Amino acid sequence: RKEVEQDPGPFNVPEGATVAFNCTYSNSASQSFFWYRQDCRKEPKLLMSVYSSGNEDGRFTAQLNRASQYISLLIRDSKLSDSATYLCVVNLRDDKIIFGKGTRLHILP
Amino acid sequence: DGGITQSPKYLFRKEGQNVTLSCEQNLNHDAMYWYRQDPGQGLRLIYYSQIVNDFQKGDIAEGYSVSREKKESFPLTVTSAQKNPTAFYLCASSIPRDRGGDTQYFGPGTRLTVL
Repeated sequence: RKEVEQDPGPFNVPEGATVAFNCTYSNSASQSFFWYRQDCRKEPKLLMSVYSSGNEDGRFTAQLNRASQYISLLIRDSKLSDSATYLCVVNLRDDKIIFGKGTRLHILP
Repeated sequence: DGGITQSPKYLFRKEGQNVTLSCEQNLNHDAMYWYRQDPGQGLRLIYYSQIVNDFQKGDIAEGYSVSREKKESFPLTVTSAQKNPTAFYLCASSIPRDRGGDTQYFGPGTRLTVL
């Protein structure tokens, strides 16, 4: 099993819809979790940290399920500007940081 | 403004030449990292440094070298020994984990093409 796995997509979603995608991780000792957003040919930018029971930031909600070893990202009322690749990042106890390959999201007008 | 800068944005190199990519940060972060990203792939760690004058190999260090003589700077040299150097190179920095940091901040990247 890969250390961090994401559905590569693309997810093609109409504007205004709600979209959710998951990221699974294999190491139960993983300590912290993040979602990054990466636009085409740009650097990744931190979208949200995900700790314990998860958190919400405006239209974005991130959840952590330690028992099943996955994190999720929910985007409500999606905008055209949400089109990007979303990277799941997992920090292990030994300072190792693992990046997922990303999920591509296309918001359609 | 605090941030991470990388230069140049685009770099072209002839096969067989070494080239050095610049990464500078004024965030006062101790830890710095180099990744490469290939199309459709995740980020892969090349080298990282938790403190000045110390650095460790990442998952794909072969054909690369780094130095960390100053806290603000972590240049990466892509040597002629790197078999497939064409990629997007990203530098990042963070506060070390043992001081409560675990979020990485990225520079804008350097796109290297070997001709």
